Amino acid sequence: DIQMTQSPSAMSASVGDRVTITCRASQGISDYLAWFQQKPGKVPKRLIYAASSLQSGVPSRFSGSGSGTEFTLTISSLQPEDFATYYCLQHNIYPITFGQGTRLEIK
Amino acid sequence: EVQLVESGGGLVQPGGSLRLSCAASGFMFSDYYMDWVRQAPGKGLEWVGRIRNKVNSYTTEYAASVKGRLTISRDDSKNSLYLQMNSLKTEDTAVYYCVRDISCRGSSCEHWGQGTPVTVSS
Repeated sequence: DIQMTQSPSAMSASVGDRVTITCRASQGISDYLAWFQQKPGKVPKRLIYAASSLQSGVPSRFSGSGSGTEFTLTISSLQPEDFATYYCLQHNIYPITFGQGTRLEIK
Repeated sequence: EVQLVESGGGLVQPGGSLRLSCAASGFMFSDYYMDWVRQAPGKGLEWVGRIRNKVNSYTTEYAASVKGRLTISRDDSKNSLYLQMNSLKTEDTAVYYCVRDISCRGSSCEHWGQGTPVTVSS
């Protein structure tokens, strides 16, 4: 199975900060990578697909990059509604696998 | 409007069985791959498995943790997806989400239901 390792597992930041979350795949997955945001008690929401394509309706402060084994999700200027848990997901090879999640908290 | 509505969750004893359903509406269900994803209390997301569409012979894929115990099926005439859960373990306790093609490479093709909770406990 492909292991997806996110870093950090948790972090705190302030409104207005630039934040970067990294996801590393245990083997190359091309750009078959998506990013999800989940708030407590809510359904996950996809932000990015194909590593760098922004889902319709998602604010442009979110961006994704990377290919192969290393990927990043960047939030250019944190807003109060961005405090949540973020997951990466690879779908290049079965079984599809998620990262363990990155909890983003208010500093 | 795309809608996915899960049902069938509840409390079941270890070793027992349960069948989850997902009713789809607002889109051509038969065209899409469908996935199940679960989330144990306080834990991360785990992909459970997938069923492809008719064009791809309704073939299935599963996570190793559920292979042989959980079975995904669909009935395109009823716009419905199913998850038959047998030999349930306490570690199967989770909210189960029905998802329209979690891997689709397009802006609005992926969609989640609200989830149905399953508790495996004696």
